[in-house]
Amino acid sequence: DSGVTQTPKHLITATGQRVTLRCSPRSGDLSVYWYQQSLDQGLQFLIQYYNGEERAKGNILERFSAQQFPDLHSELNLSSLELGDSALYFCASSVSVQDSNYGYTFGSGTRLTVV
Amino acid sequence: DAKTTQPPSMDCAEGRAANLPCNHSTISGNEYVYWYRQIHSQGPQYIIHGLKNNETNEMASLIITEDRKSSTLILPHATLRDTAVYYCIVRVAFAQGGSEKLVFGKGMKLTVNP
Repeated sequence: DSGVTQTPKHLITATGQRVTLRCSPRSGDLSVYWYQQSLDQGLQFLIQYYNGEERAKGNILERFSAQQFPDLHSELNLSSLELGDSALYFCASSVSVQDSNYGYTFGSGTRLTVV
Repeated sequence: DAKTTQPPSMDCAEGRAANLPCNHSTISGNEYVYWYRQIHSQGPQYIIHGLKNNETNEMASLIITEDRKSSTLILPHATLRDTAVYYCIVRVAFAQGGSEKLVFGKGMKLTVNP
């Protein structure tokens, strides 16, 4: 158990639908990162939040949005889903208040299948 | 972030040392070398990182050349469970509140054979 919790582990939904993926970071970590991993694209950075504020944005589609709440958990919202959105979605957290500089701790991911 | 070059794949016999190379010829003075691995479809796992000196932890050793243009990750006694995709990444140090994201390349597939 890495300490980063992602729910649900698996999600199957139809095209056009909307889903929400949830991430609870490791205790003390203020930054949350979202990554998408599809078969042919590798790990793609989507977005980063730090202490509730958006800090960096990657190749995130306009149909996707995210937020980080006061308790530091984060949600990734995916709407108007397409078949190509089928992928593994990983959340990672980093940088405890002790500033460990040990990089990211990843969750076990949510496997999204759009049918 | 500076680019890294890794071979696409490597095989290793179980019980032997696995030496995973990485070239990072454009690395800057303030950039660290980080290694992560991803076993099957699990979340990537931090292995080790270093700046100039060689580093060792319970998982692996990291050897960085004096000119810092390349490095080698060493798994001293590879097991079947070490079969994974290994990512070599160079980047500046993490800072609280910083926006420097971790950029993953294609990595290198290590297969440990019985």
